[in-house]
Amino acid sequence: AQKITQTQPGMFVQEKEAVTLDCTYDTSDQSYGLFWYKQPSSGEMIFLIYQGSYDEQNATEGRYSLNFQKARKSANLVISASQLGDSAMYFCAMVSGNTGKLIFGQGTTLQVKP
Amino acid sequence: DVKVTQSSRYLVKRTGEKVFLECVQDMDHENMFWYRQDPGLGLRLIYFSYDVKMKEKGDIPEGYSVSREKKERFSLILESASTNQTSMYLCASSAGTATEAFFGQGTRLTVV
Repeated sequence: AQKITQTQPGMFVQEKEAVTLDCTYDTSDQSYGLFWYKQPSSGEMIFLIYQGSYDEQNATEGRYSLNFQKARKSANLVISASQLGDSAMYFCAMVSGNTGKLIFGQGTTLQVKP
Repeated sequence: DVKVTQSSRYLVKRTGEKVFLECVQDMDHENMFWYRQDPGLGLRLIYFSYDVKMKEKGDIPEGYSVSREKKERFSLILESASTNQTSMYLCASSAGTATEAFFGQGTRLTVV
């Protein structure tokens, strides 16, 4: 069965510091994709970054990077130089299988302190 | 501008009522999803559809059904609403397996 696990319900980080949000996944499919989304208090879901299972390089998008460790089945999100506007809920997600089923983890609430 | 639109932002229904939540996307996406979001539980997949009239159960389909008669519209049906279905419901769509999903604004459903 496919599963996404985020074990950190809440995290604090000092402004301008880097922070890592953990995500582990489980799937029997060889081809899959991993996503991170941000949900601010307004409730909208904002796509941040994507990593395909066959991508050899770790994905990066501006201050976001995805630390993809395939053997460990982990896809941690690294946010560099945290800003106050990064305070939000962060969700890890996975798509696998031929039909494109997309599942999410429990989420991590990040608070950035000034 | 891409758009996923959910028919209601807030909804209050009585126990036992049949409830329809509608979702429309204008991006010609193949895949559409319904999730419920509860504190501490993240987004849980109820049903998804990968083509017109094609559907697959997610992790928590009990008490729900879906309909996708047209590509752009995906409906979630609560056959007989119960108080434990009080939640935020999110609809999403995506073009394929390697592309981001776009979300609607959510429907906060309260069953009394």
